Amino acid sequence: ETGVTQSPTHLIKTRGQQVTLRCSSQSGHNTVSWYQQALGQGPQFIFQYYREEENGRGNFPPRFSGLQFPNYSSELNVNALELDDSALYLCASSGRVGYTFGSGTRLTVV
Amino acid sequence: AQSVTQLDSQVPVFEEAPVELRCNYSSSVSVYLFWYVQYPNQGLQLLLKYLSGSTLVKGINGFEAEFNKSQTSFHLRKPSVHISDTAEYFCAVSDSFTSGTYKYIFGTGTRLKVLA
Repeated sequence: ETGVTQSPTHLIKTRGQQVTLRCSSQSGHNTVSWYQQALGQGPQFIFQYYREEENGRGNFPPRFSGLQFPNYSSELNVNALELDDSALYLCASSGRVGYTFGSGTRLTVV
Repeated sequence: AQSVTQLDSQVPVFEEAPVELRCNYSSSVSVYLFWYVQYPNQGLQLLLKYLSGSTLVKGINGFEAEFNKSQTSFHLRKPSVHISDTAEYFCAVSDSFTSGTYKYIFGTGTRLKVLA
């Protein structure tokens, strides 16, 4: 198993900008989920993609969007960044034993 | 709606002492329960999971947890902690485990600090 890798590891953006975070899932894992973990909090479910279609969404506005590609990679896009979007963003791919999480991207919005 | 409550935000414990991290959940359907550990500046690592069967679940690094349906609890225990166990621990619940739409609901975490 190759694990789940995320890039970049750290990112600083200005309020109002747009950002794209990337995730490479484990081969054969056709479900990917994204979570937001604010400082001192547990992860919050953003959305899930299955076979390149969004099939579940948490309580996040439409400016949070995603893509999943046939090669098991995926993206999380956030438009019109707000200060409260500062968080650790975790990608998780799911297989037979449940989620495998990546190490996350730390996004800071200034 | 599902929810998870981790009753302790911080737990200090001396090295080689036992520890219990408490987790209570609420759900109206069958649940699957998980404990994850997060070391500083890292992602989440699965410690153990309860899907069905025996209510006592053994995980990695000497941790175990017991599913108690009547008390809706899934407390994590370790008989003797090490300095290296210092980390943030998250309890999570899901109402589905296999394919399809499912999400984990996480608690707010318990910071375990092992003292020398």
